[in-house]
Amino acid sequence: SQQGEEDPQALSIQEGENATMNCSYKTSINNLQWYRQNSGRGLVHLILIRSNEREKHSGRLRVTLDTSKKSSSLLITASRAADTASYFCATGRDDKIIFGKGTRLHILP
Amino acid sequence: DVKVTQSSRYLVKRTGEKVFLECVQDMDHENMFWYRQDPGLGLRLIYFSYDVKMKEKGDIPEGYSVSREKKERFSLILESASTNQTSMYLCASRRDSFRETQYFGPGTRLLVL
Repeated sequence: SQQGEEDPQALSIQEGENATMNCSYKTSINNLQWYRQNSGRGLVHLILIRSNEREKHSGRLRVTLDTSKKSSSLLITASRAADTASYFCATGRDDKIIFGKGTRLHILP
Repeated sequence: DVKVTQSSRYLVKRTGEKVFLECVQDMDHENMFWYRQDPGLGLRLIYFSYDVKMKEKGDIPEGYSVSREKKERFSLILESASTNQTSMYLCASRRDSFRETQYFGPGTRLLVL
């Protein structure tokens, strides 16, 4: 059952630029997480934001959450080649987590 | 660091074979999960387990079964492999249902011929 939906599906930017990905969801949530997946590998947890939080930072990552619009954004500042990956949002409600289909980010040299 | 390992990175099997995918976590996590990942479909939950000897169906359990005899090990079984089970299989664990973060293994890419 699909909950979070990332936008855009794919994004290519120049190294050094900022990358923004969005996630929209349909029902109320307790928290929202972002994960990264490098090609052919497992997912790695990046950051979690709770439903009572509006913004959270971790290094070059900034996540916002707007529960009234049922949306979240992930901003990666000063992108690097190593940021090339797929990024997934995962919405949490009770003890369940549902993953979106992901945004493929490609950092151009 | 939490470590989740999967028995194989790549696996090639024939239609009709019984296939075992093993997952082991080393952090005493209670919850374990099996997903499959396909292009355009994202991650889909096959089965999960909240404790030893417990299992629950996810969104797409048909054609699969699981076993959790020990806390650290969660096995996914394809009873009779079919070509539509060719996919990337991801195992994940979580400390308990009150913790949100899941830790993933590297994945097993299964090809069924």
